[in-house]
Amino acid sequence: DQQVKQNSPSLSVQEGRISILNCDYTNSMFDYFLWYKKYPAEGPTFLISISSIKDKNEDGRFTVFLNKSAKHLSLHIVPSQPGDSAVYFCAARINFGNEKLTFGTGTRLTIIP
Amino acid sequence: KAGVTQTPRYLIKTRGQQVTLSCSPISGHRSVSWYQQTPGQGLQFLFEYFSETQRNKGNFPGRFSGRQFSNSRSEMNVSTLELGDSALYLCASSLTGRLNTEAFFGQGTRLTVV
Repeated sequence: DQQVKQNSPSLSVQEGRISILNCDYTNSMFDYFLWYKKYPAEGPTFLISISSIKDKNEDGRFTVFLNKSAKHLSLHIVPSQPGDSAVYFCAARINFGNEKLTFGTGTRLTIIP
Repeated sequence: KAGVTQTPRYLIKTRGQQVTLSCSPISGHRSVSWYQQTPGQGLQFLFEYFSETQRNKGNFPGRFSGRQFSNSRSEMNVSTLELGDSALYLCASSLTGRLNTEAFFGQGTRLTVV
């Protein structure tokens, strides 16, 4: 049972435009959501997170939106840069006494110069 | 501040052997989690250790085990290796005990079983 889903395995975006990566979840107990970026043969790097009590969190070029009623979150990157090319993972967690992350299957983002 | 350190980076083992992977968390982080990444299954949670105790466990067979030491360093062991155990094994550390903390990952150990 895939509790966190990223339905787009890949996405190509022109440099300078907006990249939008989507993620859906099914477990209503999740109350903290994170986005990680991953290059091949390296560990995931934390990008940005959002608590379930918020609907938006912004950090520089990265903004995460959370729609709890739809159980949907999205990561916006603007403007997109060539260095953003990587695999992006959405992850979710139940906050209390629990560090277990449930990951989506990832979206490979390619920024076209 | 040093990040999460995993050793070794690469390993080649034969079917039936056992293997031990090591993880040193970020200083002050007391929670260590282990994940398996394979092309087909993505990142799957193995287990989490906190204060030398296993706090959470994923859906992996008993051949996968771990432990945590008093200095928060953790080891993961896989016995009777199978070809399907070939994967990138990732360790993550967290400053647990607070809300909304992120996990920081090491670079992983690439295990190949032949």
